[in-house]
Amino acid sequence: DQQVKQNSPSLSVQEGRISILNCDYTNSMFDYFLWYKKYPAEGPTFLISISSIKDKNEDGRFTVFLNKSAKHLSLHIVPSQPGDSAVYFCAPRSGGGSEKLVFGKGTKLTVNP
Amino acid sequence: DSGVTQTPKHLITATGQRVTLRCSPRSGDLSVYWYQQSLDQGLQFLIQYYNGEERAKGNILERFSAQQFPDLHSELNLSSLELGDSALYFCASSPTTGTGELFFGEGSRLTVL
Repeated sequence: DQQVKQNSPSLSVQEGRISILNCDYTNSMFDYFLWYKKYPAEGPTFLISISSIKDKNEDGRFTVFLNKSAKHLSLHIVPSQPGDSAVYFCAPRSGGGSEKLVFGKGTKLTVNP
Repeated sequence: DSGVTQTPKHLITATGQRVTLRCSPRSGDLSVYWYQQSLDQGLQFLIQYYNGEERAKGNILERFSAQQFPDLHSELNLSSLELGDSALYFCASSPTTGTGELFFGEGSRLTVL
């Protein structure tokens, strides 16, 4: 039973344009939603997060939007740069005292020069 | 560099064998997590330790076990290995409190032949 779904395995965008990565979840107990970026042969690295009591968090070129009623969040990257090419994982935290993260399968973003 | 060290980086072994993966967390982090990433899958949570005690358990097989030592390093033991155990095994650590951010090592790639 997949609690976290990233339905687009891959996404290709032009440099300078906006990248939008989507994530759907089923568990209402998630209390924080994190995005991780992963380059080949490296471990995932934290990118940005949002609390379940917020609907938007922005950090430079990266903005995460949370729609709790739809159990949906999205990561916007603008403007996209070739160095953003990586696999992006949506990773909500279980909440209820548990600190584990539940990972989606990831979306591979390719930003073309 | 996340500050989390995993050894070995690569390991090739045969079915039926036993291996041990080692993880040193970031200085000061008391929690250690183990995740498994199989081909084209997201990261699957295996187990969490906090200051030497098991804190949470995920879909960890009975053939697998882990422990965290007094110096806070952790080991993941995989026994009676099967072909399907071939995967990337990530260790992560975190501070005692926070917004759920985990710091990941570069992973140990296990190949079972």
